[in-house]
Amino acid sequence: AQTVTQSQPEMSVQEAETVTLSCTYDTSESDYYLFWYKQPPSRQMILVIRQEAYKQQNATENRFSVNFQKAAKSFSLKISDSQLGDAAMYFCAYRRGLTSGTYKYIFGTGTRLKVLA
Amino acid sequence: DTAVSQTPKYLVTQMGNDKSIKCEQNLGHDTMYWYKQDSKKFLKIMFSYNNKELIINETVPNRFSPKSPDKAHLNLHINSLELGDSAVYFCASSLRSGGETQYFGPGTRLLVL
Repeated sequence: AQTVTQSQPEMSVQEAETVTLSCTYDTSESDYYLFWYKQPPSRQMILVIRQEAYKQQNATENRFSVNFQKAAKSFSLKISDSQLGDAAMYFCAYRRGLTSGTYKYIFGTGTRLKVLA
Repeated sequence: DTAVSQTPKYLVTQMGNDKSIKCEQNLGHDTMYWYKQDSKKFLKIMFSYNNKELIINETVPNRFSPKSPDKAHLNLHINSLELGDSAVYFCASSLRSGGETQYFGPGTRLLVL
């Protein structure tokens, strides 16, 4: 069964510094998608970044980038130049294919990121 | 201009009541989802509909009944509410059932007393 593990329940980073949130997953699929979602106190779930497993190049979105290690089944999120607005819960997610031909998204348990002024 | 909207935003009710949460998306997506986020922030899928057809039905009590009158709407009706139903419920949509990116609504915080 596919699982997504976020081993850091909470992380802190100083404003303007860089922080890396870890995520590992378990799968037997070769083609899949991985995501990082952000949930600020407003509770809104916001897509931060996504990675297609067939792409070797790591995805980047402005200050957010991933380190995708397919063999190791690792998908970490790096936030550079951290800002106060980055404080939120961050969820790693995996899109799993089902035998029915549909897909299901499996989320990790989240990492709470605190940004210190 | 809200992409995925849910109503109500907050819902406080007594045990045993029946309540509904509505979800609408104006993105033209084919697939919609309901997720439950518990007090520990664990987010788990409950249902998924593709073009009004149920395609994912997780192990959810049959007190929960989704209804999709058209592909832009997916409502969640809950009968005989229990304390354990207290959670935040998120609606989401994606372009297709394999659509990679899901767009989430703002969530509905349900508190059962």
